[in-house]
Parts: sequence; C-alpha cells; structure tokens
Amino acid sequence: DAGVTQSPTHLIKTRGQQVTLRCSPKSGHDTVSWYQQALGQGPQFIFQYYEEEERQRGNFPDRFSGHQFPNYSSELNVNALLLGDSALYLCASSRKLAGGLNQETQYFGPGTRLLVL
Amino acid sequence: GQQVMQIPQYQHVQEGEDFTTYCNSSTTLSNIQWYKQRPGGHPVFLIQLVKSGEVKKQKRLTFQFGEAKKNSSLHITATQTTDVGTYFCAGVRGSQGNLIFGKGTKLSVKP
Repeated sequence: DAGVTQSPTHLIKTRGQQVTLRCSPKSGHDTVSWYQQALGQGPQFIFQYYEEEERQRGNFPDRFSGHQFPNYSSELNVNALLLGDSALYLCASSRKLAGGLNQETQYFGPGTRLLVL
Repeated sequence: GQQVMQIPQYQHVQEGEDFTTYCNSSTTLSNIQWYKQRPGGHPVFLIQLVKSGEVKKQKRLTFQFGEAKKNSSLHITATQTTDVGTYFCAGVRGSQGNLIFGKGTKLSVKP
C-alpha cells in the first residue's frame, strides 16, 4: 500500500518562472491538501481539493493554483515565482467521511523542496 | 485570524529527562492533531484528539486535550535520542478539515 508520493523531490527555479508540483494520494484517499513550509516554520495551508474542485483556500495569492484529476492525484502550480516562495511544499491526503464533512487524519508526503533564485 | 500558538520554540534536554510542549488556540477546535518532523523529513502523524478533556498515551508519550478544546499538550517521559525532532500541533476548526499548525517545538536530546 503506497503512501503519499510527490514529485519532484527538489527543484531550482529563477524569479518569474512557473512551477508545477505533483502529488499522488495514499491508496483509498480522495482528498488532497497542499501546504507550504518555510524554513523553521510550521506548514501553512494553501488549499484543498475534493471531487476535482478547490474546496477550501488559505491566505495565498492567485499565483497559487491547483488541480485534481479523476484518479485523485493533484498538481500545485505557482506562477511568477518570488524569492519568498522558496519552501518545502507538502501534499497531504485524507478520506472524506460520510456526508463529505470532516475527514480523517491527513497523511503527508515527503514534500518538494523548491528553491527560487 | 485563527492562530495556534505553541511553546516552547526550542527545548534541550538530557537523555532520560522529561519533555513537554504546549499548544493553545484562539478559538475552539473540533479536534487537534500532533505530528513529528525529523530533520530533513516531513510531518508524520502521531495522534488525533477529539473529545474535551481527552487523554491518550502512546508508550512514553502522553497527549491531552483541554476541557475547553482550546489547548493541548504533549509530554514525553524519559526522553531518548530517537525522540529528536520538531513536534507540531495542528488544530482543526469546525468541519473545514484544514490543519492550522503551530510553529512547532524543536527537541534536542543530549546523550
């Protein structure tokens, strides 16, 4: 039973470029959440996808967008990269309970370390 | 906005000593989760507390959820070098489901 996987593991970009990060959820999970973790900080919620739609969003600009595919995998896109976007980007998967409310524990992938120069 | 505060930021202990980290939310939480992140790693789920006043134990780790469901603590008895890492609490409010993380407590253990 594969856990949450993310690709790539590391990425170096320059300011102004665009980046796409990928996530495959744990088997049996249908919900994907993305978090940004700056060095020395706790993860910050970016957004959550369920049934191929963005369901919740944290305090991140529109430069951050995402997508969920029918197989529940997800992408995070960041446009016009800034130096401050350098961080560990974490994907977490979970499974909605009956009624679509609340969800079980979130399981994190290994993350993608993005460095913007 | 909603905040989850966690103290202390750092804790250095001698192996065998106890360790406690505290988490406090500005609003009532539906549940709180605890994660451990090793250096260079990703957060790994430890436990979820849901009920007011709940106490759960995992070997040397004891987790508590406050009566008002606004605070929580993690206590480690007789720390070992394998306990090294950053411990995060993450609160969930209502039915939203997204985790609001504290800044974490970084634990170092001197052998």
